[in-house]
Amino acid sequence: DIQMTQSPSSLSASVGDRVTITCRASQGINNYLAWFQQKPGKAPKSLIYAASSLQSGVPSKFSGSGSGTDFTLTISSLQPEDFATYYCQQYNSYPLTFGGGTKVEIK
Amino acid sequence: QITLKESGPSLVKPTQTLTLTCTFSGFSLSSSGVGVGWIRQPPGKALEWLALIYWDDDKRYSPSLKTSLTITRDTSKNQVVLTMTNLDPVDTATYYCARRIYTYGQAIFDYWGQGTLVTVSS
Repeated sequence: DIQMTQSPSSLSASVGDRVTITCRASQGINNYLAWFQQKPGKAPKSLIYAASSLQSGVPSKFSGSGSGTDFTLTISSLQPEDFATYYCQQYNSYPLTFGGGTKVEIK
Repeated sequence: QITLKESGPSLVKPTQTLTLTCTFSGFSLSSSGVGVGWIRQPPGKALEWLALIYWDDDKRYSPSLKTSLTITRDTSKNQVVLTMTNLDPVDTATYYCARRIYTYGQAIFDYWGQGTLVTVSS
């Protein structure tokens, strides 16, 4: 199985901050990586696929980059509605696997 | 408008069998490139993929749960059913179904149901 490791597991940031979350795969996954946002009590929401392609309707303050084993999700200017938990997921091979999540909290 | 909704029991006893149904609308599981998957999330923990079924009836399972999972579809009813046998309290989780679709060579979960909480307890 491909292990997905996210860092940090949590972070505190202020409104307006630029935030970067890292996801590392235990082996190369090309660009078969997705990012999801999950708010408490809600289902995950698709943000990014193919490592850097924005899902329809997702604001451009979200961006993704990376290929191979190292990936990042960046939020350019954190807004109150962005405080949530973010997950990466690889779909290069089965079993599909998710990272452990990064909780973005208000400082 | 694409929607998915999970249904099933909220409480099951250990060793029992769980049957969950995902009822969807706005797309067809007969269309090429379309799949429906199940993902679960124990309280306060990360997401875990369980199973997938595709338009051509291809099925994929998490190896760690393969012996206890069965996924089926009823295209006429727009439903996907997940059966999990021999439940244990560690299976307590919110269970989600999600559409998986091939787009530009990428296979992604783009729409999710609201989830259903299943508690395994005697």
